[in-house]
Amino acid sequence: KQEVTQIPAALSVPEGENLVLNCSFTDSAIYNLQWFRQDPGKGLTSLLLIQSSQREQTSGRLNASLDKSSGRSTLYIAASQPGDSATYLCAVIDNYGQNFVFGPGTRLSVLP
Amino acid sequence: GAVVSQHPSRVICKSGTSVKIECRSLDFQATTMFWYRQFPKQSLMLMATSNEGSKATYEQGVEKDKFLINHASLTLSTLTVTSAHPEDSSFYICSAIKLDTQYFGPGTRLTVL
Repeated sequence: KQEVTQIPAALSVPEGENLVLNCSFTDSAIYNLQWFRQDPGKGLTSLLLIQSSQREQTSGRLNASLDKSSGRSTLYIAASQPGDSATYLCAVIDNYGQNFVFGPGTRLSVLP
Repeated sequence: GAVVSQHPSRVICKSGTSVKIECRSLDFQATTMFWYRQFPKQSLMLMATSNEGSKATYEQGVEKDKFLINHASLTLSTLTVTSAHPEDSSFYICSAIKLDTQYFGPGTRLTVL
């Protein structure tokens, strides 16, 4: 059974810092991995999608990497801003496209 | 934790028919639920926010008359895909909020022939 974990559970950094969020999954047979942002009381906002054949994706100040063999993904946020404060979730979907498993999330606070 | 269920897990239907997907919070009450959709090789995208006792809020580009959402109780939200067409074939997931944490259903795979 696929399990997804995220480290750290919470992170607080001063504005301007670069930071890395970690996601680990136990079964490397994934179809893709996705990073999302969740603001309080709101639905998820998709940030980056990495297909299983890809190693990284970039969007603006965000860069996500994927190492399937080791079951790891990282989300790198450059020059963090207070507006980046949110909970970040990673999720994997299996090769059958049936099982979508979310990590517990990392709660990020960027202090002005 | 909390448990969210979806029914059915998989449905195959003919073009032109309507399909109803249920999302239930099994051990908590949820005033807000969310519906997401994922097309093959694309990211999971928010379709709409379902609010108990009021109209759903749809994301830009999602047809409200096509995807009817009813959140009639604190534990049940339904998504009805009306007059389904092959391009509606997708993976649909719901989630419910409990204490600022989203709990996700297992998803429903819809295939329209």
